[in-house]
Amino acid sequence: EAQVTQNPRYLITVTGKKLTVTCSQNMNHEYMSWYRQDPGLGLRQIYYSMNVEVTDKGDVPEGYKVSRKEKRNFPLILESPSPNQTSLYFCASSFQGDNGYTFGSGTRLTVV
Amino acid sequence: QQQVKQSPQSLIVQKGGIPIINCAYENTAFDYFPWYQQFPGKGPALLIAIRPDVSEKKEGRFTISFNKSAKQFSLHIMDSQPGDSATYFCAASSFSGGYNKLIFGAGTRLAVHP
Repeated sequence: EAQVTQNPRYLITVTGKKLTVTCSQNMNHEYMSWYRQDPGLGLRQIYYSMNVEVTDKGDVPEGYKVSRKEKRNFPLILESPSPNQTSLYFCASSFQGDNGYTFGSGTRLTVV
Repeated sequence: QQQVKQSPQSLIVQKGGIPIINCAYENTAFDYFPWYQQFPGKGPALLIAIRPDVSEKKEGRFTISFNKSAKQFSLHIMDSQPGDSATYFCAASSFSGGYNKLIFGAGTRLAVHP
């Protein structure tokens, strides 16, 4: 089944403790992206990647890092999480130049 | 600055009603306008999309109306059902930097009561 898989689904952590949210897709998509969803703000892009070793900032990149060492994986790294990063995070992928995005099921992160 | 403004924030209708969700945009470079449907605990899924060269698109009970001069588009759900209860996001896309960047509206939480 074609899908985007995120792990974990739920995560509670403390301020300053580094964490990684994994994202993997099995559709051979070149393009991958991370979004955060907050009430009243919709989905905002954090980082995106056009292909292996090619990443760039989205609209709200502060406090996040990403890497794209393999085509299928695009982990989101929070080096020193803060409470304002409490949110629902989604990974998405698509073929290059394609408008159709496939989203993962989300990771609900709480930073206390 | 919100490039895609969506309203209402929430909407309650009775089964069989026709909920309408509206979106407005500013950037005339946008050339693709999708709607995403999100159920609790799931990621957004593409529902229907339109390009600015047409004024209306129907897929089953879902219709997008598009007004290019007013820079507005809306989603209509005919004969709504309780199973349509979800959060709906409008979005707009333009090709920039080698990919299609999606800008989302704030979302509308729809509840369809039996």
